[in-house]
Amino acid sequence: AQSVTQLGSHVSVSEGALVLLRCNYSSSVPPYLFWYVQYPNQGLQLLLKYTSAATLVKGINGFEAEFKKSETSFHLTKPSAHMSDAAEYFCAVSDHGQGAQKLVFGQGTRLTINP
Amino acid sequence: NAGVTQTPKFRVLKTGQSMTLLCAQDMNHEYMYWYRQDPGMGLRLIHYSVGEGTTAKGEVPDGYNVSRLKKQNFLLGLESAAPSQTSVYFCASSISGVHEQYFGPGTRLTVT
Repeated sequence: AQSVTQLGSHVSVSEGALVLLRCNYSSSVPPYLFWYVQYPNQGLQLLLKYTSAATLVKGINGFEAEFKKSETSFHLTKPSAHMSDAAEYFCAVSDHGQGAQKLVFGQGTRLTINP
Repeated sequence: NAGVTQTPKFRVLKTGQSMTLLCAQDMNHEYMYWYRQDPGMGLRLIHYSVGEGTTAKGEVPDGYNVSRLKKQNFLLGLESAAPSQTSVYFCASSISGVHEQYFGPGTRLTVT
């Protein structure tokens, strides 16, 4: 079975500082990996995804993530935080199988940006 | 192009009551999904559909039923609501199993 662990349910950084949100996954097959963002009272929006092409994936709003198979990690980074980045972030994994993309989500990390 | 819409946005039920949540998408997507979101647990897949007339169980299907009579609609039913079903419910759709899922704005359900 697949699973995702996000280290840290809350992360707080200063505006302009590096953002690092950690995600480790478990999968018995080559995974697809995703980061989603959820702003207050809204649905989820895809930030970026890894589907076995380049290991460094660039997403929207200046975010990027690196797939490290040896560490089973897919950490999300942004060089300089902006106030508008305050939201909840979810890492998710699915397999490459035929049919539906059954996402397994981590528990989420709430990112706070301090002025 | 409204994307994925969900009806209603909020609902309060008493234990034992029934209700149906409606998800509609106007993107002609084949795949549709229902998730529930609980604090500290992320989102968990309830049921999904890979096309009109098809449904399948996800990770937490107990207490829920679904129907996909039309391609654009995916209904989630609670026959006899329980307090454990208090949650925020999200619908999503995608073109295929390898494409991005687009999420609706959610339905906040409270069962007292």
